[in-house]
Amino acid sequence: DQQVKQNSPSLSVQEGRISILNCDYTNSMFDYFLWYKKYPAEGPTFLISISSIKDKNEDGRFTVFLNKSAKHLSLHIVPSQPGDSAVYFCAANVAFGNEKLTFGTGTRLTIIP
Amino acid sequence: NAGVTQTPKFQVLKTGQSMTLQCAQDMNHEYMSWYRQDPGMGLRLIHYSVGAGITDQGEVPNGYNVSRSTTEDFPLRLLSAAPSQTSVYFCASSYDRTGYYGYTFGSGTRLTVV
Repeated sequence: DQQVKQNSPSLSVQEGRISILNCDYTNSMFDYFLWYKKYPAEGPTFLISISSIKDKNEDGRFTVFLNKSAKHLSLHIVPSQPGDSAVYFCAANVAFGNEKLTFGTGTRLTIIP
Repeated sequence: NAGVTQTPKFQVLKTGQSMTLQCAQDMNHEYMSWYRQDPGMGLRLIHYSVGAGITDQGEVPNGYNVSRSTTEDFPLRLLSAAPSQTSVYFCASSYDRTGYYGYTFGSGTRLTVV
């Protein structure tokens, strides 16, 4: 049972435009949501997180939006740059008594110059 | 450089062989974990540890063993390698159990079992 789903395996966006990556989840007990970025032959790197008590968190060009009623989160990258081309994973966790971060399957973002 | 170090980067094993994937971190993080990444499956948790002497199973623990004798090291042992264990393995650490402030991942070990 895939509790965290990324339904788009790939996405292509023109440089300078907005990239929107989407993630859906089924477990209403999740308290924290995170986005990771992964380049080939490297480990994932942490981008941004959001608590379930918030609906938006911003860090520079990256903004994460959380819609709890729809069990949906999205990552917006504005403006998109060539270095943003990577695989993006969303992940979720329960705050207490559970140290098991659950990852989605990833979306490959390609920024077209 | 501070971070998570994984060795080896690449390994080919024959079915039935055993080996240990090494993971070390120098950030004094209490929480460490092992994930495997397979095409179309994302990252799946194998085992994790919340401190020295404490380990627990993740989502896909069968065929793997771990121990945590020090804060710094968290080796993953394959007891009898099978082709289904062909994967890329990542070790991660964090000072926060929930991962809210981000896990630090190693660069991975690509394992092929033939």
